[in-house]
Amino acid sequence: EAGVAQSPRYKIIEKRQSVAFWCNPISGHATLYWYQQILGQGPKLLIQFQNNGVVDDSQLPKDRFSAERLKGVDSTLKIQPAKLEDSAVYLCASSRTGSSYNSPLHFGNGTRLTVT
Amino acid sequence: AQTVTQSQPEMSVQEAETVTLSCTYDTSESDYYLFWYKQPPSRQMILVIRQEAYKQQNATENRFSVNFQKAAKSFSLKISDSQLGDAAMYFCAIQGGSEKLVFGKGTKLTVNP
Repeated sequence: EAGVAQSPRYKIIEKRQSVAFWCNPISGHATLYWYQQILGQGPKLLIQFQNNGVVDDSQLPKDRFSAERLKGVDSTLKIQPAKLEDSAVYLCASSRTGSSYNSPLHFGNGTRLTVT
Repeated sequence: AQTVTQSQPEMSVQEAETVTLSCTYDTSESDYYLFWYKQPPSRQMILVIRQEAYKQQNATENRFSVNFQKAAKSFSLKISDSQLGDAAMYFCAIQGGSEKLVFGKGTKLTVNP
């Protein structure tokens, strides 16, 4: 099966600019996750979708970050305006259900964002 | 709340030898799951092995096995017959109840030829 697709692979922007990341999950996977991985740390969940509804966005900085999952398939994560501390790798993952054990997460290759 | 601590920022091993990566955790959930993920330079997180907390038997996947000590809240990963392709960042993670998956800070494993 095709894996989780993400684009772009790399992005460099100046602070206060906006940026968007795109994710296409594995076909048939109902749950989609966006993680932020700052250098030297493990991934941190930003938002979790079940189909096209939000399950958990408690750690999403909603004043600058937004995400949507139209039609329960592809998803876009946006940052506007970006800050220096947003420099990180943004990972998208998908799973058949919301249970990590019974339905392991499949990750994409991530987008490395550098904010200057 | 759930926390995961990986006390070894870096580890190295000789090819064909065995290495153990440490992980301790904390959770208030009675039912939870533990995972080890591998992240090579490609950045893609890959599930290595998983363990259900209520199962006393340690999980094994080919050359990878865990030592799960529930009372001590310890979940170490043993890699046997290390190969060059095992070089990567390794992350321990926990998910309990309705909580989100929480990762540790990772251990960088170097495999020397």
